Amino acid sequence: KQEVTQIPAALSVPEGENLVLNCSFTDSAIYNLQWFRQDPGKGLTSLLLIQSSQREQTSGRLNASLDKSSGRSTLYIAASQPGDSATYLCAGHSGGGADGLTFGKGTHLIIQP
Amino acid sequence: NAGVTQTPKFQVLKTGQSMTLQCAQDMNHEYMSWYRQDPGMGLRLIHYSVGAGITDQGEVPNGYNVSRSTTEDFPLRLLSAAPSQTSVYFCASSDSNIQYFGAGTRLSVL
Repeated sequence: KQEVTQIPAALSVPEGENLVLNCSFTDSAIYNLQWFRQDPGKGLTSLLLIQSSQREQTSGRLNASLDKSSGRSTLYIAASQPGDSATYLCAGHSGGGADGLTFGKGTHLIIQP
Repeated sequence: NAGVTQTPKFQVLKTGQSMTLQCAQDMNHEYMSWYRQDPGMGLRLIHYSVGAGITDQGEVPNGYNVSRSTTEDFPLRLLSAAPSQTSVYFCASSDSNIQYFGAGTRLSVL
């Protein structure tokens, strides 16, 4: 059974800093891994999807990496802004993409102006 | 572009009542799933479907029923609501890659 862990649970940094959020998973046969953003009281917004055959994906100031051998993924946020404040969730797909996702509990990020 | 639509947005039930949470998607995705989100527990998979007529249980299926008669719709039924089912419920659909989530249904069971 896939288990996903996110560290740290909460993070507060000044605006402009570069930061890294960590995600670890137990099943190296992961099909893909997805990073989401969730604002308070809202649904989930997909940020980046990394297929098992890929090592990283980039979108604007965001870069996500995947290392299946070590069971780790990282989300790098460059030049952080107050609007980046949210909870960031990582989730893994193990069953060929057909079954549901296994989620970590998230990292609550606050960017101080 | 509607995406994934969930109704209702909020609901209050009394213990023992039944109700159906609706989920519809307009992206012609084969895969749909239901999650619940609880403080300190994260999102947990309740049921999922890989196509019309095919459903399977996730991590926390007890107390919930699903069916998938069309590609577009995937309703979640609570047969006899319990306070432990107080949660935020999210429906998602995917083409086996990116998962798209609805805005959620906030359910309170008194």
